[in-house]
Amino acid sequence: QQQVKQSPQSLIVQKGGISIINCAYENTAFDYFPWYQQFPGKGPALLIAIRPDVSEKKEGRFTISFNKSAKQFSLHIMDSQPGDSATYFCAASKLGNFNKFYFGSGTKLNVKP
Amino acid sequence: KAGVTQTPRYLIKTRGQQVTLSCSPISGHRSVSWYQQTPGQGLQFLFEYFSETQRNKGNFPGRFSGRQFSNSRSEMNVSTLELGDSALYLCASSPIGQAPNTEAFFGQGTRLTVV
Repeated sequence: QQQVKQSPQSLIVQKGGISIINCAYENTAFDYFPWYQQFPGKGPALLIAIRPDVSEKKEGRFTISFNKSAKQFSLHIMDSQPGDSATYFCAASKLGNFNKFYFGSGTKLNVKP
Repeated sequence: KAGVTQTPRYLIKTRGQQVTLSCSPISGHRSVSWYQQTPGQGLQFLFEYFSETQRNKGNFPGRFSGRQFSNSRSEMNVSTLELGDSALYLCASSPIGQAPNTEAFFGQGTRLTVV
């Protein structure tokens, strides 16, 4: 049973456009939702994270939108650049689980110049 | 500050053998987690250690084990290797082990191929 569902599987965006990746979860006990960026041959790098007490968090061109009632959260990449081309993973964890993250299946983003 | 260091980067083993992977966390980080990444199953949690104690474990067979040393370095061991164990094994360290959940920083991983 997949705890975190991520879509789309792949995404092609033109340079300067907005990339949107969506995730949904079932377990209401989840209270920490990070996004990771992974380049080929590298480990995942923490991009941005949110807790359910806020509905939006922005860091530079990256924004997380969080909808607690719908149990959904999304990553928006504004002004997408070719250097953003990577695989993005959403994840979730719950109190007391000590960094046991449930990851989405990943979205491969390709930003066309 | 140096990142999470995993060694070796690449490993080729034969079915039935055992393997040990090593992880050095970021200096000052006391929590170390291990994940398996495969194209089919994605990123799956193996176990987490803090102060030499395993605090959480994923749904993997007993062939997968780990330990943490007093300097927070960690090792994971896979015995009786199977072809399906071929994967990228990732280690992540976190700064505050006693908090419920905190930022986790991943290493580059060890690519294990079982032939």
